[in-house]
Amino acid sequence: AQKVTQAQTEISVVEKEDVTLDCVYETRDTTYYLFWYKQPPSGELVFLIRRNSFDEQNEISGRYSWNFQKSTSSFNFTITASQVVDSAVYFCALSEDQGAQKLVFGQGTRLTINP
Amino acid sequence: DVKVTQSSRYLVKRTGEKVFLECVQDMDHENMFWYRQDPGLGLRLIYFSYDVKMKEKGDIPEGYSVSREKKERFSLILESASTNQTSMYLCASSRQGALHGYTFGSGTRLTVV
Repeated sequence: AQKVTQAQTEISVVEKEDVTLDCVYETRDTTYYLFWYKQPPSGELVFLIRRNSFDEQNEISGRYSWNFQKSTSSFNFTITASQVVDSAVYFCALSEDQGAQKLVFGQGTRLTINP
Repeated sequence: DVKVTQSSRYLVKRTGEKVFLECVQDMDHENMFWYRQDPGLGLRLIYFSYDVKMKEKGDIPEGYSVSREKKERFSLILESASTNQTSMYLCASSRQGALHGYTFGSGTRLTVV
């Protein structure tokens, strides 16, 4: 069975600090997809990134970077030089099904960036 | 701007009432989903649909049903609302094999009293 664990329930840092959100997943499939979503206070989840299991290259997008390691079943998310606007709940998710794309979500990490 | 629209942002219903949560998407997506979000539990899949009139149970379908008569609309039905169904309900849609995952609605916060 698939499972996603985000062990950090809440993180609070001061603006401009770097912060890493952890995500550990479990799956028996060799083909799967990993996602990160951001949920700002408005409530609507926003897609950040998708990674497939065959691509272990790390990804960088501006201040955001993602570290995918199959050896440890982890897909961690780092925000560099955090800003107040980064405050949100962040969800990691896993899909084994590219067609219907059923996603299994982690518990979420509430990130607070203090000015 | 593409959208998933949920009919109500906040809803208060009484125990035993039949409740309809409506979701409409304007992106011609094949797949539609209903999740509930609870603190400490993340998002849990209730039902999903990959085509008109098709539906599949998710991880927690008990106490819920769904309807998809048209491609753009996916309704979640609580046949007899109970207090343990108080939650945030999120609708999402996606294209088959989409690279960008889901597009979510803003959610409906349902309180059953």
